[in-house]
Amino acid sequence: QKEVEQNSGPLSVPEGAIASLNCTYSDRGSQSFFWYRQYSGKSPELIMFIYSNGDKEDGRFTAQLNKASQYVSLLIRDSQPSDSATYLCAGGGGGNKLTFGTGTQLKVEL
Amino acid sequence: DAGVIQSPRHEVTEMGQEVTLRCKPISGHDYLFWYRQTMMRGLELLIYFNNNVPIDDSGMPEDRFSAKMPNASFSTLKIQPSEPRDSAVYFCASKRTGGAEQYFGPGTRLTVT
Repeated sequence: QKEVEQNSGPLSVPEGAIASLNCTYSDRGSQSFFWYRQYSGKSPELIMFIYSNGDKEDGRFTAQLNKASQYVSLLIRDSQPSDSATYLCAGGGGGNKLTFGTGTQLKVEL
Repeated sequence: DAGVIQSPRHEVTEMGQEVTLRCKPISGHDYLFWYRQTMMRGLELLIYFNNNVPIDDSGMPEDRFSAKMPNASFSTLKIQPSEPRDSAVYFCASKRTGGAEQYFGPGTRLTVT
């Protein structure tokens, strides 16, 4: 069982809608969480990271962390076709080692 | 500034051959990570270095895999002998101490026939 779990999708949302991507983790020692975006055939790139319980907003993106429920989410407001990609959730234990989920494929439809 | 550089971008080899993947991290970054990505297992950490010293190699699948970092600007991942199940995209990433983000290179797509 992977330590970081994501639904593989695809998650389809219409343009302009809110996309909600979810991730659960099993290691209670995980202290930091990262959301990476990966376009097909490209390398992952960081969107956001979060360390504290609650919400963290950056433009159209909001990361949410609930350590009691071991749950991390990423909300994308006003979804655009250019947001269509695979989103990777990763957890870190305080060091530099990250454990990645297998990713959720997002499709934003016109 | 140049990002993480990896070579080759594509490698096709026959089972049993030696494969060497190369990585140049971003200048000034003192952490270097090697990952492998497959559809089934996702992105997996193989090994990472800090200041050229291997810190955690628990993800290296078996003795056929080895990694070195002879200096701050160069690292290699070697597979000898290669097997078809090694076919994957191998990413190198780097980060600086205190930084949150790992910066990924473009990856090497390895196909072992």
